[in-house]
Amino acid sequence: DIVMTQSPDSLAVSLGERATINCKSSQSVLYSSNNKNYLAWYQQKPGQPPKLLIYWASTREFGVPDRFSGSGSGTDFTLTISSLQAEDVAVYYCQQYYDTPPYTFGQGTKLEIK
Amino acid sequence: EVQLVQSGAEVKKPGESLKISCKGSGYSFTSYWIGWVRQMPGKGLEWMGIIYPGDSDTRYSPSFQGQVTISADKSISTAYLQWSSLEASDTAMYYCARHEGGSNTWLDYWGQGTLVTVSS
Repeated sequence: DIVMTQSPDSLAVSLGERATINCKSSQSVLYSSNNKNYLAWYQQKPGQPPKLLIYWASTREFGVPDRFSGSGSGTDFTLTISSLQAEDVAVYYCQQYYDTPPYTFGQGTKLEIK
Repeated sequence: EVQLVQSGAEVKKPGESLKISCKGSGYSFTSYWIGWVRQMPGKGLEWMGIIYPGDSDTRYSPSFQGQVTISADKSISTAYLQWSSLEASDTAMYYCARHEGGSNTWLDYWGQGTLVTVSS
């Protein structure tokens, strides 16, 4: 199984500042035939199901604010929130969907306001 | 509008059986894989397995193989997750979610979750 490791486990950022969450996979999730990274990011607020933010490592889902961006390739990925808003307080998860199951999640990163 | 509506919260005793459901609407239910995700209290997301309702092709995470059964009834656009003998460690929130395209795609729509509590 591919192991996904996020860092840090928790993060406190001031309103308006940049937040950066990292995700590392135990093997590459870049599919050479189409040059796509099989990596998604989700946001989960308390008491709610997860919400898709980004897929193909860097494509924002429709309706997701452009302050959210994803980057990286191969085994190392980053979710960046360019200017933190109060409503961004949540737990963020990366997930790989490369090749065959299981499609594992990272352990989550809790984002709070400083 | 795509919707996944899950069955309500359950309280069960150890050793009892349980089947929870996830009803899809607003899209072609038989054309998209449905996955199940566990979230234990205060913990992260765990991918359990998936089913293709069109032909009931099912894949499991090794961690959940043999522990649960995933099924679907395409005639009523509903997927299921079931246990034959619950344990206290099965206490968790369970989410169903739709895979956007093939099985190896992201989860674009999620159910509201079903809380399962197992306690004597």
